[in-house]
Amino acid sequence: GAVVSQHPSWVICKSGTSVKIECRSLDFQATTMFWYRQFPKQSLMLMATSNEGSKATYEQGVEKDKFLINHASLTLSTLTVTSAHPEDSSFYICSARYGSGSVTGELFFGEGSRLTVL
Amino acid sequence: DAKTTQPNSMESNEEEPVHLPCNHSTISGTDYIHWYRQLPSQGPEYVIHGLTSNVNNRMASLAIAEDRKSSTLILHRATLRDAAVYYCILSSKKISSGSARQLTFGSGTQLTVLP
Repeated sequence: GAVVSQHPSWVICKSGTSVKIECRSLDFQATTMFWYRQFPKQSLMLMATSNEGSKATYEQGVEKDKFLINHASLTLSTLTVTSAHPEDSSFYICSARYGSGSVTGELFFGEGSRLTVL
Repeated sequence: DAKTTQPNSMESNEEEPVHLPCNHSTISGTDYIHWYRQLPSQGPEYVIHGLTSNVNNRMASLAIAEDRKSSTLILHRATLRDAAVYYCILSSKKISSGSARQLTFGSGTQLTVLP
């Protein structure tokens, strides 16, 4: 199956610093990628939809100035958590849909990136 | 977005079949039913999806009720590696994201497989 890779898989940072998480589709092109956040023992919550070559679409309640998304190419989307605080500590997961133009195909998810803000 | 309802947890014995139920009484005619599973500290993994007809693949079977208000994921022989949170999700379409259907995750069912 198609592979989506995230980096780093875990990161620890000090409060106030910015952290960038990369999401790559390794063997297919993805015009759209999705970013999710998951707190312990909770379900995944969609944060934003990342569109190649255009601005991301954020879900209600997600601060676009705090969670910067850049989808610079068909295989790479990045999420930058700016001025991170302990409440931003979470498991961040990206996903991409395999198949250009497919609206019903399966989503492939990255391994997730665990952010801990001290 | 149409919501799904799943039991919080289920147990199964190893090597036995598992039937994971999902209710989606407000499903619309164009919503697909997706199943994903998530192992601890990993991203979700696609299991199966369908629209109206029952579906089979190497991982599982999906049985969809005739009125589409419920579905059941069937693992034919549970193994210890099948222990995970199983999510039943209806795909939704938002105009702002073009044709890309996004997935809204519910709370899922924690499946425990007993040796």
